[in-house]
Amino acid sequence: QQQVKQSPQSLIVQKGGISIINCAYENTAFDYFPWYQQFPGKGPALLIAIRPDVSEKKEGRFTISFNKSAKQFSLHIMDSQPGDSATYFCAASIQTGANNLFFGTGTRLTVIP
Amino acid sequence: NAGVTQTPKFQVLKTGQSMTLQCAQDMNHNSMYWYRQDPGMGLRLIYYSASEGTTDKGEVPNGYNVSRLNKREFSLRLESAAPSQTSVYFCASSENGQGNGYTFGSGTRLTVV
Repeated sequence: QQQVKQSPQSLIVQKGGISIINCAYENTAFDYFPWYQQFPGKGPALLIAIRPDVSEKKEGRFTISFNKSAKQFSLHIMDSQPGDSATYFCAASIQTGANNLFFGTGTRLTVIP
Repeated sequence: NAGVTQTPKFQVLKTGQSMTLQCAQDMNHNSMYWYRQDPGMGLRLIYYSASEGTTDKGEVPNGYNVSRLNKREFSLRLESAAPSQTSVYFCASSENGQGNGYTFGSGTRLTVV
C-alpha cells in the first residue's frame, strides 16, 4: 500500500500563478518530509524539506505547509514559471537507521507561458 | 564532483537474460538505495544498504539481488529478466542522520522484450 498519497496527478498552471500539490501520510513515526523535483531524463533532486516541529518552511518561491494533526503536507510554488515544469514527488521517512524514503506517486506540473 | 554515477544509461534485454546495474557514489555516504520508477507508481524501493556490508529488502525485491561491494559501490542484479522489470532504475545515496536527503543518479532505462 502507498505510504504517502499525493494529488493531483497532473497540474497545469498559468505563468505567475500558484501551484499547489498535496500529500497525506498515515505513519506517525515519519519525521522528515522532503519534496523532490525531477526533470525529464534526470534523477529526482531535493527541492525543500521540513520536519514536523515546524508548520511552514519557505525557500524562495517554494513553501512547504505542514499539518501534523491532519497528517498532511503540501508544496506551494509562488509565481510559477515555465522553468518549474517538472514532476514533483513528496516523500516521508523516519530519520533513524537506514533513513528509507517512501515516495508519493508524483505530480506532473506544466506552467503555461 | 560526480555525486552518484549509474551505468549503463540504457539497456534492452531479452526475457530470461541477466544483467547487473552498477552504481557508485563519491560523497562518502553510508547508505545506498535502489529504486524503480514506473508511470503512476512513483519511486518504489527495491533494496537498500544502510552501511557497508549490510543489505535489506525494500518494497519490491522479488526478481532482484544486490551487492554492496564497498562503501562506494552498490550493484543491482537481475538474474532472469522479465517484461515486468521494464522500468527506470535509480540509485541513490544518503548520509545517515537528521534531515539528510538523498542524492540520486541519473537513472538506467531498462527495457525487457
